[in-house]
Amino acid sequence: GAGVSQSPSNKVTEKGKDVELRCDPISGHTALYWYRQSLGQGLEFLIYFQGNSAPDKSGLPSDRFSAERTGGSVSTLTIQRTQQEDSAVYLCATTVSSYNEQFFGPGTRLTVL
Amino acid sequence: GDSVTQMEGPVTLSEEAFLTINCTYTATGYPSLFWYVQYPGEGLQLLLKATKADDKGSNKGFEATYRKETTSFHLEKGSVQVSDSAVYFCASSFYGGSQGNLIFGKGTKLSVKP
Repeated sequence: GAGVSQSPSNKVTEKGKDVELRCDPISGHTALYWYRQSLGQGLEFLIYFQGNSAPDKSGLPSDRFSAERTGGSVSTLTIQRTQQEDSAVYLCATTVSSYNEQFFGPGTRLTVL
Repeated sequence: GDSVTQMEGPVTLSEEAFLTINCTYTATGYPSLFWYVQYPGEGLQLLLKATKADDKGSNKGFEATYRKETTSFHLEKGSVQVSDSAVYFCASSFYGGSQGNLIFGKGTKLSVKP
């Protein structure tokens, strides 16, 4: 596709359940970022993938959060044992390299009841 | 750590009014600076950027100048339109660094009334 896509667009889950959020990057973009947009914290960096290098996980808020990027393309962000404070919009952004403009997907709105 | 601070909103203006949204940053070194915009129901879009001191970014009538001496990157527009109603985010990043991740301000919601 022409842009970054994310799925699902909305996800409602119960506290304690696991969720998976998906990001499909722009073709050829080797760098991929996950951010979280929440009312209390604004926009926060979560994790960064660059090619086949080990991801930079320095922004992940807890060990309940993890992410994978298969074949340098699609990425999945997994949140285990969700808590109400995990409710937020999760944004994916991709770019050709860390020297270039990041393009954002529309986000997944996660609501934990 | 590095951070970005921008004026809190919401900001409400009449059409054709002058807009300023203040943004300051703290960083070790000289990051690149950005303004992103989020229109209602849409994703984040890059509005403009500046990569070094004294650079001026401009787009769609918006401008911002990278001021190293005041560590600022204020967004301005001479005559706002209703279609400019959106949330504006100031951000910094070290291009080409180990991450290149963006550090965002909390956003300023702008509403322009006809």
